[in-house]
Amino acid sequence: AQRVTQPEKLLSVFKGAPVELKCNYSYSGSPELFWYVQYSRQRLQLLLRHISRESIKGFTADLNKGETSFHLKKPFAQEEDSAMYYCALTTGGYQKVTFGTGTKLQVIP
Amino acid sequence: EPEVTQTPSHQVTQMGQEVILRCVPISNHLYFYWYRQILGQKVEFLVSFYNNEISEKSEIFDDQFSVERPDGSNFTLKIRSTKLEDSAMYFCASSTSRDRVHEQFFGPGTRLTVL
Repeated sequence: AQRVTQPEKLLSVFKGAPVELKCNYSYSGSPELFWYVQYSRQRLQLLLRHISRESIKGFTADLNKGETSFHLKKPFAQEEDSAMYYCALTTGGYQKVTFGTGTKLQVIP
Repeated sequence: EPEVTQTPSHQVTQMGQEVILRCVPISNHLYFYWYRQILGQKVEFLVSFYNNEISEKSEIFDDQFSVERPDGSNFTLKIRSTKLEDSAMYFCASSTSRDRVHEQFFGPGTRLTVL
């Protein structure tokens, strides 16, 4: 069975400081990894996916298969980055998404 | 931009009562999902639905749960006899393709409170 682990429930950083939200996964096959974000009073939305190798709102995430990690990074945090961040994976089939427990990012002005 | 909508935003019910949570997926989407999030816990998959039948369901999705697409637009989740532990946020999602890299679009959720 697949599992996603986000060890930090809360991460507080100062504006302008680097951010790293940790995510590790377990799955014997080749999953697709994602980061979802939920801003206050808004719905869950996709932030980025590993297969696209994209940078969204300054965030990047690199899939490390050796360490089974998919950490989310941003060099300079902004106040508007404050939100809940969920690491997630799909394994195929009908795309069931398995979520981690989420990390609340709090950017302090 | 089209969005998934859900009604009601908050549903309060008595234990043992039936509830129906409603979702309107994005119009050209073919795959539909329900997830739930108990307060303080992670978002959990319940069921996926395609071509008018269940594609996959989790252990949580027992005989008390059912899903239906009664017309061309709505997608419903029914809980026949609610229990206290069914209190949670329920999210509907839809996507265009079974291709696993396709994005799932989430609704705003329905908060179910079972008293």
